[in-house]
Amino acid sequence: SAVISQKPSRDICQRGTSLTIQCQVDSQVTMMFWYRQQPGQSLTLIATANQGSEATYESGFVIDKFPISRPNLTFSTLTVSNMSPEDSSIYLCSVERTLIDYTFGSGTRLTVV
Amino acid sequence: GIQVEQSPPDLILQEGANSTLRCNFSDSVNNLQWFHQNPWGQLINLFYIPSGTKQNGRLSATTVATERYSLLYISSSQTTDSGVYFCAVSQGGSEKLVFGKGTKLTVNP
Repeated sequence: SAVISQKPSRDICQRGTSLTIQCQVDSQVTMMFWYRQQPGQSLTLIATANQGSEATYESGFVIDKFPISRPNLTFSTLTVSNMSPEDSSIYLCSVERTLIDYTFGSGTRLTVV
Repeated sequence: GIQVEQSPPDLILQEGANSTLRCNFSDSVNNLQWFHQNPWGQLINLFYIPSGTKQNGRLSATTVATERYSLLYISSSQTTDSGVYFCAVSQGGSEKLVFGKGTKLTVNP
């Protein structure tokens, strides 16, 4: 399985500010996925990030709020912009190398106050 | 889009007990995965099982694709089995996973 380093593991942020979350993978992968998990809820896909192209966002998520960068095949960032308390969630990145090999980062636990 | 329903939503067991978790999905899938999210939030892939049966130690899973359901069996449960178990599926050529709401398992000593 791939190994993913996700940072930061947790943060407490003031409303109106932005936080950038980083994911580093130990091998090259074509697609990286960003998920949000609101408190006590399931995982919801935010966007799919391909290297060299704009991310593809799911319904209900927009680039201005969640800009994503994918500068190479091993790294991606997700920024949560202009945060409000409703953005308090766990954010996870994920990669899929084959159908039997899905790996998740350890998550970023974000609290907005 | 496809719907994924998991049951039960919550399950409390004594250590050593067995359990069965269920995942129903509303359309044909080419990928079905079971994940365990531990109390610290880490998601671990348990099984890739779009059809058939697999076993890994005390865990086993069965998917009946024609009837659109999958079962996860946990035998001789341990406190370390506690957490949330998610079923996730994808369709067609997509690699995007759609997650169910999960089953929260608590195993008491």
